Amino acid sequence: GAGVSQSPRYKVAKRGQDVALRCDPISGHVSLFWYQQALGQGPEFLTYFQNEAQLDKSGLPSDRFFAERPEGSVSTLKIQRTQQEDSAVYLCASSLGEVGSAEAFFGQGTRLTVV
Amino acid sequence: GESVGLHLPTLSVQEGDNSIINCAYSNSASDYFIWYKQESGKGPQFIIDIRSNMDKRQGQRVTVLLNKTVKHLSLQIAATQPGDSAVYFCAENCCSGTYKYIFGTGTRLKVLA
Repeated sequence: GAGVSQSPRYKVAKRGQDVALRCDPISGHVSLFWYQQALGQGPEFLTYFQNEAQLDKSGLPSDRFFAERPEGSVSTLKIQRTQQEDSAVYLCASSLGEVGSAEAFFGQGTRLTVV
Repeated sequence: GESVGLHLPTLSVQEGDNSIINCAYSNSASDYFIWYKQESGKGPQFIIDIRSNMDKRQGQRVTVLLNKTVKHLSLQIAATQPGDSAVYFCAENCCSGTYKYIFGTGTRLKVLA
């Protein structure tokens, strides 16, 4: 499809388990964002990539969170030793240009539930 | 799917009426703004954007107004339809060298038939 694709759509993890969430941005999009959205809240910024460079990771809540985009296309958000407070929807977005130059398009998200 | 906006402010409008959704943004230096629509179980969907050098921009059935003096953004939806029911978020981006869109708290729009 032409949109941002995220997988899996739903993930249930036992506390302490590691998880990896995948994002396939729109082809050719330079910017890629990860956001976390708790129930009833707006999306909260996690990290930003411009091509393969991670230019901002200030929103990652702890060192258990790690994101990569090694070839400037697909990105993976990894959460180690998951905890219950990590339960949320993780949204990926991509944009054709740099931040503030064009709209960001979001995927449907991965709903992570930690039990 | 999961519910978005369980505890958000809610605006209820009659089908066919116009809707106005308001947003107070946080940074007076922000220079780019986007309105997103989010339906339950889906990611935010781009509606319309505006730059700080404009105070009004129109799309199809939607108009965004920007008042920089009071840091206020509004989204007007003409002839509201049942398919417009969703949670609406404004997002702002500030300044060269920053890399995030900051989202507002959101407003749930309910369209009454």
